[in-house]
Amino acid sequence: RKEVEQDPGPFNVPEGATVAFNCTYSNSASQSFFWYRQDCRKEPKLLMSVYSSGNEDGRFTAQLNRASQYISLLIRDSKLSDSATYLCVVSNTGKLIFGQGTTLQVKP
Amino acid sequence: GAVVSQHPSRVICKSGTSVKIECRSLDFQATTMFWYRQFPKKSLMLMATSNEGSKATYEQGVEKDKFLINHASLTLSTLTVTSAHPEDSSFYICSARDHPLLRPEAFFGQGTRLTVV
Repeated sequence: RKEVEQDPGPFNVPEGATVAFNCTYSNSASQSFFWYRQDCRKEPKLLMSVYSSGNEDGRFTAQLNRASQYISLLIRDSKLSDSATYLCVVSNTGKLIFGQGTTLQVKP
Repeated sequence: GAVVSQHPSRVICKSGTSVKIECRSLDFQATTMFWYRQFPKKSLMLMATSNEGSKATYEQGVEKDKFLINHASLTLSTLTVTSAHPEDSSFYICSARDHPLLRPEAFFGQGTRLTVV
């Protein structure tokens, strides 16, 4: 079983739609959790950290459920510019482990 | 935000030669640096983790004699691909992190696209 699992998609949604991505992790001792965004042929960029209390940044909401070892990212009012691959990242024993990414394509 | 600079961004080399890739944290001290490899349309694969002043910890299946990592200072780590072969062609990305209790997220360099011919 992979340490961090994501549905690779692709998710094809119209502009303005709400879309949710999920991620599960296997190591219950994991300490920190993040969502990164990666555009084609570019490096990943930090989108947001994920906290147990949930956190929101504009149209983006991230949630963490430690009991279920599950992380989510919700994007509201999708824009064309949101098209990218979204990477779930988990930190444990000092390492950052990436999921395979979920591809989002927002269409006009 | 934190800035990580990776150089070169693109390199083409002949089979059998060695290539060195540099990763620098420009505005913070990188306690830990990570090296990843990414194949087209695949996820980042962690190759090794390096802490300043100590030997890198390699992931299973990554040859440490082939991928030499040096983390000589708190702002610089290098990855040297030795005796490169065409199958080493890939996108190599570094990331750097401050002390995890201060700032647990990592920041990425721009990546190096290596082509071995």
